[in-house]
Amino acid sequence: AQSVTQLDSHVSVSEGTPVLLRCNYSSSYSPSLFWYVQHPNKGLQLLLKYTSAATLVKGINGFEAEFKKSETSFHLTKPSAHMSDAAEYFCVVSGPDTGRRALTFGSGTRLQVQP
Amino acid sequence: EAGVTQFPSHSVIEKGQTVTLRCDPISGHDNLYWYRRVMGKEIKFLLHFVKESKQDESGMPNNRFLAERTGGTYSTLKVQPAELEDSGVYFCASSQVRGVQETQYFGPGTRLLVL
Repeated sequence: AQSVTQLDSHVSVSEGTPVLLRCNYSSSYSPSLFWYVQHPNKGLQLLLKYTSAATLVKGINGFEAEFKKSETSFHLTKPSAHMSDAAEYFCVVSGPDTGRRALTFGSGTRLQVQP
Repeated sequence: EAGVTQFPSHSVIEKGQTVTLRCDPISGHDNLYWYRRVMGKEIKFLLHFVKESKQDESGMPNNRFLAERTGGTYSTLKVQPAELEDSGVYFCASSQVRGVQETQYFGPGTRLLVL
């Protein structure tokens, strides 16, 4: 069965410093991988997605993620954090393992940005 | 283009009562999904409609939950009778599959509290 593990439940950075949110996945086949973000009292917003094209995926708001098959990782990065980046981030996988299209979510990483 | 909408945004009910959640997908999206996040847990898949048909309901927790999508447009999720452990955030998502590419777009969620 496919799964995702988000390695940090909380990450705190200072404004203007780099952001790294870590995600490892498990899937028998080439998965589709996503990062979603949820700001306080808001819905889930798609940041970016990987679907077996380029391994470096650029998303909205300056975020990007790199698919590394050898490491089964899909870490999310941003060169310079902004206060508005404070939110909860979810690494998500879907794929043909079971024939289902349901998304499998990681447990989430809460990002704090200090002034 | 309007996004996925959900109603109500919040609901507080007593144990044993009935609650009905509504989701309006993006116009033209045949796929509609329900997910939920109970306190402290991951976001979990509940079920998947393709138009008015239930494609996958493997995530439905028990027979107190009933989902419908009459006419293939909006969907309702009824919980009857509600139990304390049903408290959480219920998300709806919709998509239109093009080839093997699919992106699910989420609504803001309904926050359900069962007292």
